[in-house]
Amino acid sequence: DQQVKQNSPSLSVQEGRISILNCDYTNSMFDYFLWYKKYPAEGPTFLISISSIKDKNEDGKFTVFLNKSAKHLSLHIVPSQPGDSAVYFCAAPRGSTLGRLYFGRGTQLTVWP
Amino acid sequence: GAGVSQSPSNKVTEKGKDVELRCDPISGHTALYWYRQSLGQGLEFLIYFQGNSAPDKSGLPSDRFSAERTGGSVSTLTIQRTQQEDSAVYLCASRGGGGDTQYFGPGTRLTVL
Repeated sequence: DQQVKQNSPSLSVQEGRISILNCDYTNSMFDYFLWYKKYPAEGPTFLISISSIKDKNEDGKFTVFLNKSAKHLSLHIVPSQPGDSAVYFCAAPRGSTLGRLYFGRGTQLTVWP
Repeated sequence: GAGVSQSPSNKVTEKGKDVELRCDPISGHTALYWYRQSLGQGLEFLIYFQGNSAPDKSGLPSDRFSAERTGGSVSTLTIQRTQQEDSAVYLCASRGGGGDTQYFGPGTRLTVL
């Protein structure tokens, strides 16, 4: 059962524009969400997180929005740069933030010049 | 400070053979996780160690899979009688210092012929 879903396997954006990556979840008990970025042949690296007590968290050019009623979150990257090209995973922990993570299948972002 | 390391980086084996994959977590991290990523899939949880507590083995796909963590540090994931469907990238992550973030190693790419 896919409790965290990323329905777009790929996204292509021109350099300088905004990239919007989407994530949906089914488990209403999730109260903390993370985004990871993965380059080929490397492990995922933590990018940004958000707690369910917030609806927005910003870190530099990365902003994550959370819509609890819709069980939806999105990652905005602006401005997008070729170095941002990677696979982005949405994840949520079961129970406390200390437990295992449920991951989406990822979205391959390609930023072209 | 060193990150999470994994060895080998690549492993090719024949069907039916046993393999051992190693993970060295970040020093001092008390939590250690194993995930795997099959082609086109998200990260699938396998097992979670937290300090001296009994591990959460709920993600192990069959009894051919086992893992141990010696001395609260290094962990070894063992797959017995490997099958072609075991081919995947096996990722290890650790967490500690009171933080919520899991830090991933580069993974071991396992190919079962």
